[in-house]
Amino acid sequence: KNEVEQSPQNLTAQEGEFITINCSYSVGISALHWLQQHPGGGIVSLFMLSSGKKKHGRLIATINIQEKHSSLHITASHPRDSAVYICAVGSQGAQKLVFGQGTRLTINP
Amino acid sequence: ETGVTQSPTHLIKTRGQQVTLRCSSQSGHNTVSWYQQALGQGPQFIFQYYREEENGRGNFPPRFSGLQFPNYSSELNVNALELDDSALYLCASSLFPGAAVGNTIYFGEGSWLTVV
Repeated sequence: KNEVEQSPQNLTAQEGEFITINCSYSVGISALHWLQQHPGGGIVSLFMLSSGKKKHGRLIATINIQEKHSSLHITASHPRDSAVYICAVGSQGAQKLVFGQGTRLTINP
Repeated sequence: ETGVTQSPTHLIKTRGQQVTLRCSSQSGHNTVSWYQQALGQGPQFIFQYYREEENGRGNFPPRFSGLQFPNYSSELNVNALELDDSALYLCASSLFPGAAVGNTIYFGEGSWLTVV
């Protein structure tokens, strides 16, 4: 079992729909990252959080430390949101991030 | 744009050859981490450099080696290339090691390596 599991692996939706991507992890963490990766390969950091909820524009990230679970929500989705969304966790004292396999999101017009 | 630049962006090598990938970190960042991302997978940690010293290594063989220079730019070297080394290689820089909130990590665009 991977330390970081994401669901779903693939998600196709219509423009305007509310999107939820889930991430579960099995290790103690100091921070959880939500990242966006476009087909070219570059990765952009969307959120870094260790508790509660963060919002940036149409994106919302939540984390429940007790349940070791985080969600990324996209409101009023748009085709330009189409990308791979990756959850990654950093453990206290560890140098590395451990990544989930990513969720490929496709928003159709 | 993150300020982390990688080169080359794409390259093709033959099995058995050697490759060097380069990364210029975000200004002021003294920590650089390298990740390998195979197609359809999440990135895997190769190693991290902090102030020119290796500061942690993932489960990669010794033919994967690295360097960090006084200006904190970094190189990833892979010797005796194998077909399975074909992947996207990502560089990430941060102000300091560790994954605490506030230590934002910036990724480069990656170097796509194909081994034939």
